[in-house]
Amino acid sequence: EIVLTQSPGTLSLSPGEGATLSCRASQSVTGNYLAWYQQKLGQAPRLLIYGASTRASGIPDRFSGSGSGTDFSLTISRLEPEDFGVYYCQQRGGSPTYTFGQGTRLEIK
Amino acid sequence: QVRLVQSGAEVKTPGASVKVSCKASGYTFTGYYLHWVRQAPGQGLEWMALINTNDGSTDYAPSFQGRVTTTRDTAISTAYMDLSSLRSDDTAVYYCAREYSTSTTWYKAFDFWGQGTLVTVSS
Repeated sequence: EIVLTQSPGTLSLSPGEGATLSCRASQSVTGNYLAWYQQKLGQAPRLLIYGASTRASGIPDRFSGSGSGTDFSLTISRLEPEDFGVYYCQQRGGSPTYTFGQGTRLEIK
Repeated sequence: QVRLVQSGAEVKTPGASVKVSCKASGYTFTGYYLHWVRQAPGQGLEWMALINTNDGSTDYAPSFQGRVTTTRDTAISTAYMDLSSLRSDDTAVYYCAREYSTSTTWYKAFDFWGQGTLVTVSS
């Protein structure tokens, strides 16, 4: 089973600052099938990035993804108030077939 | 527009079963896989199952093998998730989610989600 470990657990930042979230896999992620989601309280997750670095439809260009193999990151260049929430990475490969990281909470400082 | 609309909240007793539905609209139902993901209160996301809506083939997370079944009815563009032998730690919001794909590539990510169905297991 591929385990995804996200860091930090919580990130406290102010609007306008930049943020970098990390996702490390216990084994290499097949085909770079690594995605990032944002979830706000009481809402379903929203797809931000797929294929490690491709923004989903309608996602602002301040969001960018990078990485390959076992190390991936999500960068938000200039935080807007609506960016605060919980972020999850997710991969497809191994067994179970799809797994999520435990999440990084991005909160307003 | 793409929509996934799930059935309403359920309250079940331990040992019972629950069936959650997910009705799709705004796209060709059989053109995309549907997945089931759950989230316990205050916890993260846990993948459970997928169904190939075209041929009905399925895949399940090992931790749910034998307890979860997903099916579909293509005539009404609806997928279902059955979870049996419910325990208190099955209390969670259950989501259906569509797997993003184009005509040539499956991206293994979930681009549209249902609103979630809260299943509470309590005696």
